[in-house]
Amino acid sequence: GAGVSQSPRYKVAKRGQDVALRCDPISGHVSLFWYQQALGQGPEFLTYFQNEAQLDKSGLPSDRFFAERPEGSVSTLKIQRTQQEDSAVYLCASSHSDREYGYTFGSGTRLTVV
Amino acid sequence: GENVEQHPSTLSVQEGDSAVIKCTYSDSASNYFPWYKQELGKGPQLIIDIRSNVGEKKDQRIAVTLNKTAKHFSLHITETQPEDSAVYFCAAPGEGNLIFGKGTKLSVKP
Repeated sequence: GAGVSQSPRYKVAKRGQDVALRCDPISGHVSLFWYQQALGQGPEFLTYFQNEAQLDKSGLPSDRFFAERPEGSVSTLKIQRTQQEDSAVYLCASSHSDREYGYTFGSGTRLTVV
Repeated sequence: GENVEQHPSTLSVQEGDSAVIKCTYSDSASNYFPWYKQELGKGPQLIIDIRSNVGEKKDQRIAVTLNKTAKHFSLHITETQPEDSAVYFCAAPGEGNLIFGKGTKLSVKP
């Protein structure tokens, strides 16, 4: 596609629910990143894929967070048993190749846990 | 690991004035420094970047300067317009990903 597409744009979850956030990167982009952006803050790294391989998940805040990219294109970020501190905008970015830092970001998914 | 500090956190200018946002980084091996603009409800958009082999890069009204010795880089916007109002983020490479500053909210008053 022309850009990075994320869905849903908004998600309200009750505390304890599981959520799944989808990212559709630019076609052919090898690298895919997930970032978390709290209100008034800069994006913070969560995890990185090169094709289908998850090469870095050091930013995932707990084992309730899980990401996958099984066919090297679409990626899903799953959060289990959501908590209020999970409320944030979740941004997905892709880039053409490994170590190419000119990321293209999607518009994000705003998650609110009530 | 890399640490990026950005200031000011807010900046208000009159239309037509210049705006300067500064960032410092900690890892002397970093070699790529992008700037992103984020409008309300949208994801960050890359507006300009600079690599460590040059000291300055310009693109119309925006420019970025890099001082490798001091480990800081700056975004310069000249002849500001109301549509420049947004949050601007600097970034530097971490361990295979970008580390972002906390952002500067720029307001351009008509």
